Amino acid sequence: AQKITQTQPGMFVQEKEAVTLDCTYDTSDPSYGLFWYKQPSSGEMIFLIYQGSYDQQNATEGRYSLNFQKARKSANLVISASQLGDSAMYFCAMREGPGSARQLTFGSGTQLTVLP
Amino acid sequence: GAVVSQHPSRVICKSGTSVKIECRSLDFQATTMFWYRQFPKQSLMLMATSNEGSKATYEQGVEKDKFLINHASLTLSTLTVTSAHPEDSSFYICSASYPGARGMNTEAFFGQGTRLTVV
Repeated sequence: AQKITQTQPGMFVQEKEAVTLDCTYDTSDPSYGLFWYKQPSSGEMIFLIYQGSYDQQNATEGRYSLNFQKARKSANLVISASQLGDSAMYFCAMREGPGSARQLTFGSGTQLTVLP
Repeated sequence: GAVVSQHPSRVICKSGTSVKIECRSLDFQATTMFWYRQFPKQSLMLMATSNEGSKATYEQGVEKDKFLINHASLTLSTLTVTSAHPEDSSFYICSASYPGARGMNTEAFFGQGTRLTVV
């Protein structure tokens, strides 16, 4: 079974509108972390937001927020007030277990295009 | 914030030659670094886990004799693609984790990536 599933290969959003990128995950480990990264055409991986499995509140970072629904095992990324510069590939990722010395498992990604 | 630097960003080499890619943690010590590979329009796939002072752990299907990993210090890991062939052409990217201000392992930093083209 896929550990991270992103069901939207491509998404379009009008500039200044909000957009939600879907991510579901599968793990039996009670301790895990969920990440979202943005990858522009240059290839660099830009960290956007993190949600820990024990965090009580949804994470927010500026225009990014994570809609964490633990029972449904979903961690959707919400981008508010989209900008043209938000056009990029977005990856959801998970790190299972406590500690940082563990790899990330990535979803297949969503290509977001912001329309003027 | 914590920075991971990867070099070179692009490299073109002839088939049969070897290429070394460096990954450095600039302002923190990384006992563990990760190497990923990404084909065009695909996701990042873990190749190996690099552990300082010990042998790397390779994922299933990754040839350890072809992709040599050395993690000789707490700030440097290298990936050497030996006897490169055109099918090795890909985007290689390293990662290291940093505890972060909250001390809760909240981030994983990536290098800029290396685009390897074997001709």
